[in-house]
Amino acid sequence: EIVLTQSPGTLSLSPGERATLSCRASQSVTNRFLAWYQQKPGQAPRLLINGASSRATGIPDRFSGSGSGTDFTLTISRLEPEDFAVYYCQQYDTSPRTFGQGTKVEIK
Amino acid sequence: EVQLVESGGGLVQPGGSLRLSCAASTFTFSFHWMNWVRQAPGKGLEWVANIKEDGSEKYYVDSVRGRFTISRDNAKNSLYLQMNSLRAEDTAVYYCATGSGSYPSWGQGTLVTVSS
Repeated sequence: EIVLTQSPGTLSLSPGERATLSCRASQSVTNRFLAWYQQKPGQAPRLLINGASSRATGIPDRFSGSGSGTDFTLTISRLEPEDFAVYYCQQYDTSPRTFGQGTKVEIK
Repeated sequence: EVQLVESGGGLVQPGGSLRLSCAASTFTFSFHWMNWVRQAPGKGLEWVANIKEDGSEKYYVDSVRGRFTISRDNAKNSLYLQMNSLRAEDTAVYYCATGSGSYPSWGQGTLVTVSS
């Protein structure tokens, strides 16, 4: 099973600032089969990025993904008020599919 | 827009059973892998099970294998999760989601509470 470790656990930033979230895998995620999701309280997760760097339908271009192998990054270039939420990475290279434990982006 | 609506959650005693349903609409259900993903209160996401478009392949996370059964009825555009021998640690919101890799569409979830 691939274990995904996200860092930091919490990121305290102000609107307009840049957010950089990390996701590290316990073994290589081949074919960049890694996704990122956003979840707000009381809501289902929303797919942001798949294939490590491809934005899902309707996702603003301030969200970008990068990385390969064992190290992946989600960057939010300029935080909007609606971006404060919890973010999860997920690998779909092997079964079982696994998620990271999440990074909370909170308002500073 | 894809619509997924879960139902069947509730309070059940340890050792009991529950059957969750997910009603799909506005897309061709039979063309998609389907999944159950759960989230314990205040915790992260955990993939539980998935099923191929025609139901011929099913996969489970180790913690539920042998206790949970995923199934689908393409004629009714519905996904199911039969949960037996429930434990306290199965307490979670259960989401159904589309996709064979990443999960582009999700329902709003149904809460399962296992407690005496």
